[in-house]
Amino acid sequence: TQLLEQSPQFLSIQEGENLTVYCNSSSVFSSLQWYRQEPGEGPVLLVTVVTGGEVKKLKRLTFQFGDARKDSSLHITAAQPGDTGLYLCAGLPSSGNTGKLIFGQGTTLQVKP
Amino acid sequence: NAGVMQNPRHLVRRRGQEARLRCSPMKGHSHVYWYRQLPEEGLKFMVYLQKENIIDESGMPKERFSAEFPKEGPSILRIQQVVRGDSAAYFCASSLIQGANSGANVLTFGAGSRLTVL
Repeated sequence: TQLLEQSPQFLSIQEGENLTVYCNSSSVFSSLQWYRQEPGEGPVLLVTVVTGGEVKKLKRLTFQFGDARKDSSLHITAAQPGDTGLYLCAGLPSSGNTGKLIFGQGTTLQVKP
Repeated sequence: NAGVMQNPRHLVRRRGQEARLRCSPMKGHSHVYWYRQLPEEGLKFMVYLQKENIIDESGMPKERFSAEFPKEGPSILRIQQVVRGDSAAYFCASSLIQGANSGANVLTFGAGSRLTVL
């Protein structure tokens, strides 16, 4: 069974601070995606990383895919209250896969004003 | 409307009743995935369907749960004889292509159906 371990599970910080969320696995993934989910809503895709070592930036969010395509990180600079939410990483296994995504358990982020 | 539509958004059932959750994929999408989410947890894969075919049901409980995606109409996730442990949010996602041979499989999620079993 391929697993994605996400850490930390909960994070409460002050506005303006930086943070990093990690997503780790012993398995290789073809690609890895990051989603953000608001209460009562479905996950919304933030980014997809495909190439080992790839770095993508989305305003204050920086996403990195590990060289071996087994891990990823999400770094938020100068967090704002609007960043509050559940962040989920999800990987597409590189073998034996029908296309289903494997999700991490999520990181609940609270940014206090 | 270009999104994935799920209904009902909220469903309350008593133990032993049946729950039917419906999902209409994005226009043009023929691949549907069902996921289940417990509070403050990630999503657990249940089943992957294409029109009239179940492709992967490895995440679906063997009993009481079934899913279909008919040629016409929405995909349906059916839970028979519900128990309290079935209480969760059930999300449907659709995609344009199958991800097995592509570098990335972009899923678009619906807003979910929240099942409460009393």
